[in-house]
Amino acid sequence: EAGVAQSPRYKIIEKRQSVAFWCNPISGHATLYWYQQILGQGPKLLIQFQNNGVVDDSQLPKDRFSAERLKGVDSTLKIQPAKLEDSAVYLCASSLTVSGNTIYFGEGSWLTVV
Amino acid sequence: AQTVTQSQPEMSVQEAETVTLSCTYDTSENNYYLFWYKQPPSRQMILVIRQEAYKQQNATENRFSVNFQKAAKSFSLKISDSQLGDTAMYFCAFMKLKDGSYQLTFGKGTKLSVIP
Repeated sequence: EAGVAQSPRYKIIEKRQSVAFWCNPISGHATLYWYQQILGQGPKLLIQFQNNGVVDDSQLPKDRFSAERLKGVDSTLKIQPAKLEDSAVYLCASSLTVSGNTIYFGEGSWLTVV
Repeated sequence: AQTVTQSQPEMSVQEAETVTLSCTYDTSENNYYLFWYKQPPSRQMILVIRQEAYKQQNATENRFSVNFQKAAKSFSLKISDSQLGDTAMYFCAFMKLKDGSYQLTFGKGTKLSVIP
């Protein structure tokens, strides 16, 4: 079974530029998560989708971050314009909803804003 | 809101010895799940062990076991016969069902170093 796929793995951009990260969850997983993990901290939930609807985006900085999951499968997280403090690893994860609750993580997308 | 506290930023243990990582959480929920994840430098999150709150029996996975104290809201991880490959960040995490899907909240992590 294929795992959660993320791209790109690494990205370096200048502040005020934009960046987009892509995530393809495990096939059949209805729930998709985006986490932000700043160096030395635990992952923080940015947004959670159930199919193509948003369950929780309370910690998403909506003035610069956006995310979509149009067809209920893969998802894109965008940052525009980026700030230095956005340097982090962006982790995508997915899970089944009804029959299981183990959350599976991708390898992450490393963002450095200079 | 749920909070997860890991009070030990860093720990070290001699190879083959036993180490215990601490975790406490705060919730008003009665049904929830608790996890320990391992994160090596590659940043891949690897599930170590899970515990359902309704189960009284502590979970065990090979060299990893937990001490789950529901009343005290404590969930510690014991690693026996520590190996060099156990060196990593360890995160305690709390999960509950919200609006039809599961939501996972992490602590700040404990950096574990296994010394040869």
